[in-house]
Amino acid sequence: DQQVKQNSPSLSVQEGRISILNCDYTNSMFDYFLWYKKYPAEGPTFLISISSIKDKNEDGRFTVFLNKSAKHLSLHIVPSQPGDSAVYFCAARAGSYQLTFGKGTKLSVIP
Amino acid sequence: DAMVIQNPRYQVTQFGKPVTLSCSQTLNHNVMYWYQQKSSQAPKLLFHYYDKDFNNEADTPDNFQSRRPNTSFCFLDIRSPGLGDAAMYLCATSRDLGSSYEQYFGPGTRLTVT
Repeated sequence: DQQVKQNSPSLSVQEGRISILNCDYTNSMFDYFLWYKKYPAEGPTFLISISSIKDKNEDGRFTVFLNKSAKHLSLHIVPSQPGDSAVYFCAARAGSYQLTFGKGTKLSVIP
Repeated sequence: DAMVIQNPRYQVTQFGKPVTLSCSQTLNHNVMYWYQQKSSQAPKLLFHYYDKDFNNEADTPDNFQSRRPNTSFCFLDIRSPGLGDAAMYLCATSRDLGSSYEQYFGPGTRLTVT
């Protein structure tokens, strides 16, 4: 029973274009949503988060959008750079300490 | 740089032979977590320590134990590893439980069971 789903295992984008990574969730009790980025041989690195009371959070080239009615979260990267190539994990927290992760989406940014 | 360190990065153990994985942190965070991540799967929380208080997830097998002798170190003990325990084991920290939405991860230890 996956409460956080990333339906696209991989995504390829041209350098300079927009990358859009998607995440769907089922638990209405999630109060925080996060994106982590993972390079090979490294642990996940916190990228950006959004509280459930907001619908958008922006940090430089990264913007996270939250659509609570659709239970959908997306991460936009503009413009995409080759260094953005990594696995991106969507995660959510339901008011306690526990994070529930998706399986990840591998982003490849092609020069 | 403040960080989360895991040793070893790669560990090979035999079926049934106890193994210990190590995690240390220089962030002085109160909470330390252990996750198991199998290939192409989401990281799954096994347990966490808030200071000295241990919290085991309901579905974590009894085969997995943990120790936190001080703020900086946390160990994962697998008493009798089975083939199904082969995975990446990730250690993470957060300042406290309220800030658990921002966790800092180590690079992981990849465990192979032969």
